[in-house]
Amino acid sequence: AQSVTQLDSQVPVFEEAPVELRCNYSSSVSVYLFWYVQYPNQGLQLLLKYLSGSTLVESINGFEAEFNKSQTSFHLRKPSVHISDTAEYFCAVAREWGGKLIFGQGTELSVKP
Amino acid sequence: KAGVTQTPRYLIKTRGQQVTLSCSPISGHRSVSWYQQTPGQGLQFLFEYFSETQRNKGNFPGRFSGRQFSNSRSEMNVSTLELGDSALYLCASSLAPGAGNTEAFFGQGTRLTVV
Repeated sequence: AQSVTQLDSQVPVFEEAPVELRCNYSSSVSVYLFWYVQYPNQGLQLLLKYLSGSTLVESINGFEAEFNKSQTSFHLRKPSVHISDTAEYFCAVAREWGGKLIFGQGTELSVKP
Repeated sequence: KAGVTQTPRYLIKTRGQQVTLSCSPISGHRSVSWYQQTPGQGLQFLFEYFSETQRNKGNFPGRFSGRQFSNSRSEMNVSTLELGDSALYLCASSLAPGAGNTEAFFGQGTRLTVV
């Protein structure tokens, strides 16, 4: 079975500061890793994904995440956040051969001016 | 290309009633999954359908059921509603289950309130 732990439920940060949202996973098989973002009253939007290859993946809006197999982590980082990044962020895993997503509990990122 | 469409967006029902939620996947996508999101339990997997067959089911009581039609549209039904069923129900579509095809696109959800 797989599980995902997001280590921080809330992360307050000032605008233009760097941020890291932590995610650890547990799985006895290879998994795909994802970060989704959810804005208020919206569904989930895929932010970035790791399927294979380079362990560092980047999104178009400046976020990046690094897959670390030895530490079973997939932390999300951004060097300089904006007010518009305020949202809830979910880390998720999926088995290599299935579509079911297992989500972490979410991290609420609050960017203050 | 239209995204995942869920209807209705908001719903208020009374305890004991039943409810049907609808999800139209992205054109060409044949896999549909449903998730329940609540403040206490977070995002929990309900079921996954592919080619009109249920492939996976989460740990929910039998009151929760679903189906998928030949055009890949899916419905989920909750019977004998309880207060605890109040949640945001999210539908996700993907091309098909399997290696390399596990990216899911989510709809905006149906907010169900049970009173």
